[in-house]
Amino acid sequence: GAVVSQHPSRVICKSGTSVKIECRSLDFQATTMFWYRQFPKKSLMLMATSNEGSKATYEQGVEKDKFLINHASLTLSTLTVTSAHPEDSSFYICSASDGRATYEQYFGPGTRLTVT
Amino acid sequence: TQLLEQSPQFLSIQEGENLTVYCNSSSVFSSLQWYRQEPGEGPVLLVTVVTGGEVKKLKRLTFQFGDARKDSSLHITAAQTGDTGLYLCAGDTGNQFYFGTGTSLTVIP
Repeated sequence: GAVVSQHPSRVICKSGTSVKIECRSLDFQATTMFWYRQFPKKSLMLMATSNEGSKATYEQGVEKDKFLINHASLTLSTLTVTSAHPEDSSFYICSASDGRATYEQYFGPGTRLTVT
Repeated sequence: TQLLEQSPQFLSIQEGENLTVYCNSSSVFSSLQWYRQEPGEGPVLLVTVVTGGEVKKLKRLTFQFGDARKDSSLHITAAQTGDTGLYLCAGDTGNQFYFGTGTSLTVIP
């Protein structure tokens, strides 16, 4: 149980375009989803926390107009990187929680974004 | 400044050697997790510790939570090449979750 999927696993896009990454909880209802960014051999950096049906809470320094997060249902959250630039290239990971405990997060497999 | 500092940041050892990774903070955590992550994949939970002084063993891996619940360690005995990966600790304060700075382990055959 507690499986989280991400789609796509890899995406290459051109500078200036937008790209959407989906995060789905497959066998549980995710009241909260988290989006992280990770650079090679570095830890995960929390970008934002989203609760189903409400606006996401962004961490300091993360542009909410650039990284649009939607959590429209209890099984789906999306991250849209708008007007992508090469510096947005990174590994993006989502996690989902059913709300029972802060530490019980289930991680997706990640999405490798490359902006050319 | 990271709430959870891991040391060492990078570690390269020979197969069969032992190693310890440390996760330190000045904050108290209600629980602490250790994850292992391989390149291109999401983190995989190894263990959760919740009681100060708790020790948990997972085959060749031994996890300890500090008595004051501010720090933790991961000890690997007789490392294998399959142990190669990024090890992350993460702490829960009760209302927020923090990842450590990470330790990249390479086990050389």
